[in-house]
Amino acid sequence: DTGVSQDPRHKITKRGQNVTFRCDPISEHNRLYWYRQTLGQGPEFLTYFQNEAQLEKSRLLSDRFSAERPKGSFSTLEIQRTEQGDSAMYLCASSYGRWEYFGPGTRLTVL
Amino acid sequence: GESVGLHLPTLSVQEGDNSIINCAYSNSASDYFIWYKQESGKGPQFIIDIRSNMDKRQGQRVTVLLNKTVKHLSLQIAATQPGDSAVYFCAETPSNTGNQFYFGTGTSLTVIP
Repeated sequence: DTGVSQDPRHKITKRGQNVTFRCDPISEHNRLYWYRQTLGQGPEFLTYFQNEAQLEKSRLLSDRFSAERPKGSFSTLEIQRTEQGDSAMYLCASSYGRWEYFGPGTRLTVL
Repeated sequence: GESVGLHLPTLSVQEGDNSIINCAYSNSASDYFIWYKQESGKGPQFIIDIRSNMDKRQGQRVTVLLNKTVKHLSLQIAATQPGDSAVYFCAETPSNTGNQFYFGTGTSLTVIP
């Protein structure tokens, strides 16, 4: 058990709906990451926080995606107007050193 | 973008044999590499890491080799066990991207009892 938790574990939604995922990192980890993983592929970086500051965003993170980490602890990832192409596993990871501890992920299915 | 790839998508080995999983990367600026193991339905789990100033690093039953000349990374698993069955990813981070990691496609390792 890595200690990173994500909620929900599974989400099924209809195209056009908004969804929000939550990540609780390992306490005292100042860095938090969001990745997206599709079947048979490695995780793709989406965005990175150091404390509450969002320091990097991938080109994959379109304007329909927004992430926050308001108090430098938990983070949320919101996808607005979901599309079928958003179906994937959304992974959160946290770290205080160079390697990252991953959570179990939230599997999103957009119908 | 970055390119981190694996030579083989699947690998089957007999229990007790050694496994070797290979990975190629393209960014010569990468200075830190990690191997992750991902079991079905779970997030990736850290196995072992290596910095670019090293050629080899050993852990418990695992060894990572880094060849910077040809931009190649390998993971060796000794005495492979059924619990080693998983998808293995290499990930690299260039020194100029903060902490952004680039993952390869993955190799699915199946251990045959």
